[in-house]
Amino acid sequence: EVQLVESGGGLVQPGRSLRLSCAASGFTFDDYAMHWVRQAPGKGLEWVSGISWNSGSIGYADSVKGRFTISRDNAKNSLYLQMNSLRAEDTALYYCAKDMGLEPSHPFDYWGQGTLVTVSS
Amino acid sequence: EIVMTQSPATLSVSPGERATLSCRASQSVSSNLAWYQQKPGQAPRLLIYGASTRATGIPARFSGSGSGTEFTLTISSLQSEDFAVYYCQQYNNWPPRFTFGPGTKVDIK
Repeated sequence: EVQLVESGGGLVQPGRSLRLSCAASGFTFDDYAMHWVRQAPGKGLEWVSGISWNSGSIGYADSVKGRFTISRDNAKNSLYLQMNSLRAEDTALYYCAKDMGLEPSHPFDYWGQGTLVTVSS
Repeated sequence: EIVMTQSPATLSVSPGERATLSCRASQSVSSNLAWYQQKPGQAPRLLIYGASTRATGIPARFSGSGSGTEFTLTISSLQSEDFAVYYCQQYNNWPPRFTFGPGTKVDIK
């Protein structure tokens, strides 16, 4: 059974940093690209970032480019999102999602339950 | 950036009736279009990809159609568990860029 478990969310002040993690199991992690998707309270889905199986291809939404960094450790079956210079508008539930292919260019067939990030003073 | 729009914003349907949801892209995405279902308090679930291919385990009452800029998700006979928000997503960009529509809420009439 595929499982994606996010962690690392919490309350953080504007301008500070936070690192999210996603632990994957139930599939061959290094055979798939991975993504972060967020959902602000009561709002729709926003793709944040995606990374290929070997970290060779990475993409970011314009709203986070230059502030967020996605990475993965295939030996640990883990995905990460380093979030710097956080803003109030980054407040959201952050989902980890599995891509259907090696490169981050396919739909997302499995999702975690999310970790909540609240940016507030 | 490719902008996705969905209509209607809310669709009120009686159980057993047919529901038709629309999604439009601001430019052609070929058939690189997916549909997701999200219930309150749950993560999204992939329903359809490639505009018309059902994901694993998705009932046959869900069907997708369209290509280019106009897409449709049809639920042939609504069941109680189908009342949810439905999002379309395009995945036609490289370098990676994904955009979701704003969603259509299907509620009980």
